[in-house]
Amino acid sequence: GQQLNQSPQSMFIQEGEDVSMNCTSSSIFNTWLWYKQEPGEGPVLLIALYKAGELTSNGRLTAQFGITRKDSFLNISASIPSDVGIYFCAGHARPGTASKLTFGTGTRLQVTL
Amino acid sequence: GAVVSQHPSRVICKSGTSVKIECRSLDFQATTMFWYRQFPKQSLMLMATSNEGSKATYEQGVEKDKFLINHASLTLSTLTVTSAHPEDSSFYICSAGSSTDTQYFGPGTRLTVL
Repeated sequence: GQQLNQSPQSMFIQEGEDVSMNCTSSSIFNTWLWYKQEPGEGPVLLIALYKAGELTSNGRLTAQFGITRKDSFLNISASIPSDVGIYFCAGHARPGTASKLTFGTGTRLQVTL
Repeated sequence: GAVVSQHPSRVICKSGTSVKIECRSLDFQATTMFWYRQFPKQSLMLMATSNEGSKATYEQGVEKDKFLINHASLTLSTLTVTSAHPEDSSFYICSAGSSTDTQYFGPGTRLTVL
């Protein structure tokens, strides 16, 4: 199935550093979502973006819906050890939040003390 | 956010047996439920989309006779892996959504087929 290209694939950073990851697609998406998944668990929604150009924050997390509707980025400021996990972008290609999601390839984040 | 549960959280079965996994939306009515499969160190791959009261729509390459999906109510969908084989071992995750809200994911079910 179709996947979104996510980069970087993995990151090793020190506690306190800022993190940036992005997601790109060859086609337009109507909604962009960012999830975090920890080992053995399902993804947890972090931020949802519904309009092109939209910039949304959730605590130390900030995400933007690209103006072309083909990309999105997620920033994490002042990382802490509990930020460790796999971050996935996902998007609805069709209108409607009940339509199927396409997932990115994931960014694995490791935070060292 | 909304709560979605899955049962069991992990199951080990013998090759050739069938396994049923339940997905429940606990505090909202889900018009649509989705079933994903995730292999180690890979992303989630959609298997099928399930609408309450109708047949599931399967993604290309997913055998509908092997992965039986039932969505009998607005709060429950089940996935049955029939005649399971070791290659079916994976992490199965469901999500539930409504027309007015985004999808929420269950905690996943780890299936190991011996």
